[in-house]
Amino acid sequence: DGGITQSPKYLFRKEGQNVTLSCEQNLNHDAMYWYRQDPGQGLRLIYYSQIVNDFQKGDIAEGYSVSREKKESFPLTVTSAQKNPTAFYLCASSSQAPVRGAGTDTQYFGPGTRLTVL
Amino acid sequence: GEDVEQSLFLSVREGDSSVINCTYTDSSSTYLYWYKQEPGAGLQLLTYIFSNMDMKQDQRLTVLLNKKDKHLSLRIADTQTGDSAIYFCAVRTYKYIFGTGTRLKVLA
Repeated sequence: DGGITQSPKYLFRKEGQNVTLSCEQNLNHDAMYWYRQDPGQGLRLIYYSQIVNDFQKGDIAEGYSVSREKKESFPLTVTSAQKNPTAFYLCASSSQAPVRGAGTDTQYFGPGTRLTVL
Repeated sequence: GEDVEQSLFLSVREGDSSVINCTYTDSSSTYLYWYKQEPGAGLQLLTYIFSNMDMKQDQRLTVLLNKKDKHLSLRIADTQTGDSAIYFCAVRTYKYIFGTGTRLKVLA
């Protein structure tokens, strides 16, 4: 089955620790994204990657880091510099990023990771 | 700036139609999407419409697009309890912009 997987589903972090959230896709998509979702708010873009070995900051990149060493993988690290990291994190992918887009370039989402800071 | 707005809550009775509304500001939006999110889950694509279309129907779902007013709506016919979820409107320009989501509650 083609799709996007995220792990773990739930993650607990002590203050001052860095944690890494996994995102893998087997859809052969070039573009991948990380969003943060807080209650009563829409999705806010953290980082995105249009192609392997390239990534760009989104609207709320401070305190986060990413890498894109393989096409299918786009891990997100939440660093201790992120002041309020408790949230639901969603990974998504699309065949191409909108700036290069042709066709629908629909985003497909993973099941999410809920991060709680203790 | 670019913005997508939705009302936060909608409550309907089972069997009635639900209409979820969305307004956006960027007239260069090319594709417009509706996603459904169930508790603790990711976003599931329901349908999308291209900006040169006025309407799209897919089984119980009808999408209406009024480009002049920059208004998008999703109508769910014969709403069921399984339709209870948060519904997100999203538009694509040079990036994707999501609304805040509308929580639909279906009363039995």
